[in-house]
Amino acid sequence: DTGVSQDPRHKITKRGQNVTFRCDPISEHNRLYWYRQTLGQGPEFLTYFQNEAQLEKSRLLSDRFSAERPKGSFSTLEIQRTEQGDSAMYLCASSPAGMVDEQFFGPGTRLTVL
Amino acid sequence: AQSVTQPDIHITVSEGASLELRCNYSYGATPYLFWYVQSPGQGLQLLLKYFSGDTLVQGIKGFEAEFKRSQSSFNLRKPSVHWSDAAEYFCAVWRADSWGKLQFGAGTQVVVTP
Repeated sequence: DTGVSQDPRHKITKRGQNVTFRCDPISEHNRLYWYRQTLGQGPEFLTYFQNEAQLEKSRLLSDRFSAERPKGSFSTLEIQRTEQGDSAMYLCASSPAGMVDEQFFGPGTRLTVL
Repeated sequence: AQSVTQPDIHITVSEGASLELRCNYSYGATPYLFWYVQSPGQGLQLLLKYFSGDTLVQGIKGFEAEFKRSQSSFNLRKPSVHWSDAAEYFCAVWRADSWGKLQFGAGTQVVVTP
């Protein structure tokens, strides 16, 4: 068990381009969360998967954002037509199926939109 | 509305001195509370958590936190700070009403001076 991994760690893109991030949760964790963290702020919830089902999406997740978790394993977060305001750290976390449990965070993907 | 407040944006403490970070929450149901630490370039690491029972909880790296329901607080403490404790600290509440997503405070940046 190597923890939650995210790829890439850093992404620099030009405004208007599409980007995709990947998260590999801890194996057997059926809960997966995406958060976004901007400078000087705490992480903010974006979306939640239970196995392959996306059960909640924040209003922060505009229609330019889409997330998937095929087969309930890894997850991808895609941002289409990036804007400068999308620049942030995107964090992925996973947790087991218990009622209340710790979320294990990946190192994050830092996105810079020029 | 549910919220998590960390009143101190920035704290400077001398190495060897004690540290206390404040966290106040506003949450209607029984709160499940966490403290995470984030070092530069690192993901969020769990320091400790409160689910129920003893209101004084012990965590890793010599940290402890006390849950006070009457004050809606969950303050983090360390008796003697080490230079390696310089980091950003986040308090979070586990949202039982929303698939267990974490709602974070804005964080407190801790600087340790020699």
